[in-house]
Amino acid sequence: GAGVSQSPSNKVTEKGKDVELRCDPISGHTALYWYRQSLGQGLEFLIYFQGNSAPDKSGLPSDRFSAERTGGSVSTLTIQRTQQEDSAVYLCASSPAGVVGETQYFGPGTRLLVL
Amino acid sequence: DQQVKQNSPSLSVQEGRISILNCDYTNSMFDYFLWYKKYPAEGPTFLISISSIKDKNEDGRFTVFLNKSAKHLSLHIVPSQPGDSAVYFCAAIRGGSNYKLTFGKGTLLTVNP
Repeated sequence: GAGVSQSPSNKVTEKGKDVELRCDPISGHTALYWYRQSLGQGLEFLIYFQGNSAPDKSGLPSDRFSAERTGGSVSTLTIQRTQQEDSAVYLCASSPAGVVGETQYFGPGTRLLVL
Repeated sequence: DQQVKQNSPSLSVQEGRISILNCDYTNSMFDYFLWYKKYPAEGPTFLISISSIKDKNEDGRFTVFLNKSAKHLSLHIVPSQPGDSAVYFCAAIRGGSNYKLTFGKGTLLTVNP
C-alpha cells in the first residue's frame, strides 16, 4: 500500500511569510508525528497526534508553530511569520497505534528554505 | 543538550567487511533503542531495534548490541554491501513515552565496491 506522503517536497519562502506543510499518513494509522531536521542536526520531535488530538506538543519550538489533524488522517503543520532558523527538512511519520516498540514510518519530508 | 550522540559523522568500509556504527546516550531513562537508515531525498526507514532488557538483537546481516552500563550501543553490518551506503540514525525512547524518538545526528556510511 501507499506510504506516508508529504507535500510540497520543497518550499522556498521569504522571511515573515506563513507556510503550510501537509502530511498524508498511511491509511488506518492512528498515530502521527512531526519531526524536523535542521542542517547538521538529528531529527527533532515536534508534535504527536493520536487520532485528531495532540497529547504532546512539547517539541514545537515557538508559538509560531501549530499543527492540526482532521478526520484522523491528514495533518497540516503551519509556521507563521517564518524565520531563517526555521529552514529545515520537516518529516512526518505515522504508526498504527502509537504503542511501545511500534515502527514509525516516515515520509520523504518537506525541505523548507526561508530566505 | 544532545542526549543521543553519534560521534562519527562518517564511516567508510570495503564491500564484504564489517561496518560498526556507534551510538552513546546520556539519559538513563531510555529503555528502547532503534536504528534507522536514510537514503538521500527519502525519509528514514526502520532497520532494527533493541529493548533495554536485552544486550543483543540480530536480523540477518544486522546486529545491534547494547551495553547499558556504558550507555552505548552499536550496529554491526556483516558483510557490508554497496547498497548499505546511507545515513544511519540511532534513536531512543524513554520509558513511559511510547512514541517520542530522540535521534542522534547520524553517521554517513559509505561502502566501497
